[in-house]
Amino acid sequence: AQSVSQHNHHVILSEAASLELGCNYSYGGTVNLFWYVQYPGQHLQLLLKYFSGDPLVKGIKGFEAEFIKSKFSFNLRKPSVQWSDTAEYFCAVKAAGNKLTFGGGTRVLVKP
Amino acid sequence: EAGVTQSPTHLIKTRGQQATLRCSPISGHTSVYWYQQALGLGLQFLLWYDEGEERNRGNFPPRFSGRQFPNYSSELNVNALELEDSALYLCASTLWTQYFGPGTRLLVL
Repeated sequence: AQSVSQHNHHVILSEAASLELGCNYSYGGTVNLFWYVQYPGQHLQLLLKYFSGDPLVKGIKGFEAEFIKSKFSFNLRKPSVQWSDTAEYFCAVKAAGNKLTFGGGTRVLVKP
Repeated sequence: EAGVTQSPTHLIKTRGQQATLRCSPISGHTSVYWYQQALGLGLQFLLWYDEGEERNRGNFPPRFSGRQFPNYSSELNVNALELEDSALYLCASTLWTQYFGPGTRLLVL
């Protein structure tokens, strides 16, 4: 069965710091990869997705992610965070069965 | 374009009762997914409906069931509610990418 691991459960950083959230998955076949964000009190929103092509994917709000097939990873990055990036971030994989398998989420707190 | 809508926003039930949650997908989307977001358990896949048929099911007991109507809206039914069913239930609709609704927060007392 496919699984998704997000290594950091909580991240605290200051505004303007760089952010990198790790995501690894276990599935040997073709996958589609996603990062979703859940801002406080809001519903899950799509940040970015990878289906094929350029492994460096740019999403909304200055986020990007890099798919490294050999490492089964899809890490999320943002060069300079803002207080408004405080949220919970979820990595998700779609493989067989069309369902999304989510990582456990990473809560990011950006201190002003 | 309207997003995925869910109703009710909150639902309070007691153990043993039944809960019915509703979801309306984005116009043009024919697939609906249900997920449970329980405290400490993360987001777990429940059910997938496409073109009125149940296509896939997560690791949940049979008392979790649902259906999809001809207009592609969907219902999730939870029978014989247990305390641990308390969670946020999310619906997502998709063509290729899943877009999520705001969820229904179910509290079982």
